Amino acid sequence: GQQLNQSPQSMFIQEGEDVSMNCTSSSIFNTWLWYKQDPGEGPVLLIALYKAGELTSNGRLTAQFGITRKDSFLNISASIPSDVGIYFCAGQLQNSGYALNFGKGTSLLVTP
Amino acid sequence: SAVISQKPSRDICQRGTSLTIQCQVDSQVTMMFWYRQQPGQSLTLIATANQGSEATYESGFVIDKFPISRPNLTFSTLTVSNMSPEDSSIYLCSVAPPGQGFETQYFGPGTRLLVL
Repeated sequence: GQQLNQSPQSMFIQEGEDVSMNCTSSSIFNTWLWYKQDPGEGPVLLIALYKAGELTSNGRLTAQFGITRKDSFLNISASIPSDVGIYFCAGQLQNSGYALNFGKGTSLLVTP
Repeated sequence: SAVISQKPSRDICQRGTSLTIQCQVDSQVTMMFWYRQQPGQSLTLIATANQGSEATYESGFVIDKFPISRPNLTFSTLTVSNMSPEDSSIYLCSVAPPGQGFETQYFGPGTRLLVL
């Protein structure tokens, strides 16, 4: 599949700080999805984005579908300890069916 | 969304044996997907399973190694055949519930496989 470049690879922050992570690609995507995976669990869908420029919030989480359709970012405001986990971006390529391509993940650690 | 369960949740197997993983959904879905997540890595799609048709495999994955069944709209199985230690991974099924687009996928809890 197409490579998604997700950054940063890891983040170590204090409770209350804001967090930003992003995914970029050289290819055009029809859909961007953001997932969170806790240890021993499957990924949980946080936000789905379907249109270029779309900005969607889910509580303290906000994600945007880049206008070039080649990138997306996820912001977490006022982080709390339960935000700890691995965040994955995933995208559905233009003209590629329904397969999702996943980024390598951003590992987030939050200290109280 | 959908409630998805997988069995077994984890297993330890000997090389050369096969393991069948089950995925059950609480509602009827057209498309189910099987992914592999190798230790510390991201998710890679193995195949797409539609009810009533042969599964569609991604590059690098073949039916002889990962046979899939999809007997109805709420159930699928993935078999990992003739296992080797390199098959040690988390195997996840996902579904695309109707009304949200087939690319909006929800995942089961995964099956953690260790091959000795």
